[in-house]
Amino acid sequence: QKEVEQDPGPLSVPEGAIVSLNCTYSNSAFQYFMWYRQYSRKGPELLMYTYSSGNKEDGRFTAQVDKSSKYISLFIRDSQPSDSATYLCAMLKTSYDKVIFGPGTSLSVIP
Amino acid sequence: KAGVTQTPRYLIKTRGQQVTLSCSPISGHRSVSWYQQTPGQGLQFLFEYFSETQRNKGNFPGRFSGRQFSNSRSEMNVSTLELGDSALYLCASSSLSGRDYNEQFFGPGTRLTVL
Repeated sequence: QKEVEQDPGPLSVPEGAIVSLNCTYSNSAFQYFMWYRQYSRKGPELLMYTYSSGNKEDGRFTAQVDKSSKYISLFIRDSQPSDSATYLCAMLKTSYDKVIFGPGTSLSVIP
Repeated sequence: KAGVTQTPRYLIKTRGQQVTLSCSPISGHRSVSWYQQTPGQGLQFLFEYFSETQRNKGNFPGRFSGRQFSNSRSEMNVSTLELGDSALYLCASSSLSGRDYNEQFFGPGTRLTVL
């Protein structure tokens, strides 16, 4: 079993839809949770991060962490074609630990 | 501030050859990590260097090696290339400035094709 699992998609939604992206993990020691976005032919870039359990909101994006269920989510409201990308969850145990990435979910937002 | 740069951007090699990839981190960043990205396996951690020392290592064979220079630039070497080494190799730098989440700033990657 991989440490971090993520539905690879592809996920295709109409413009304006609410998108839900999810990851599950097996190691309860993870404390820092991040979402990266990767456009085609580019390296990933950090979108959001959360420490421990809870919610965090940034504009149209909301990140949720449920440590009891070992489950994290990223919600995108009012999705735009420019949100079309691959979304990777990432996590680590301590700030100096290696970052473990999920395999990524490919998202297409259709105008 | 200039971003992470990687050279070359594209590379074609044949089985059995070796290859060296280069990464220049963001100015002031002392941590450099390398990742292999493939459609089947996703983004897999190779190793991380900090102040010229390997700090973390992933589960890759010894054919994969790296080093970091005093100016924080890093190189990754793959010897005796195999077809399965075809992938996008991404370099990421981090300042490790005390932030909790060790934000990785990625370069555009080197696309390696092994024939």
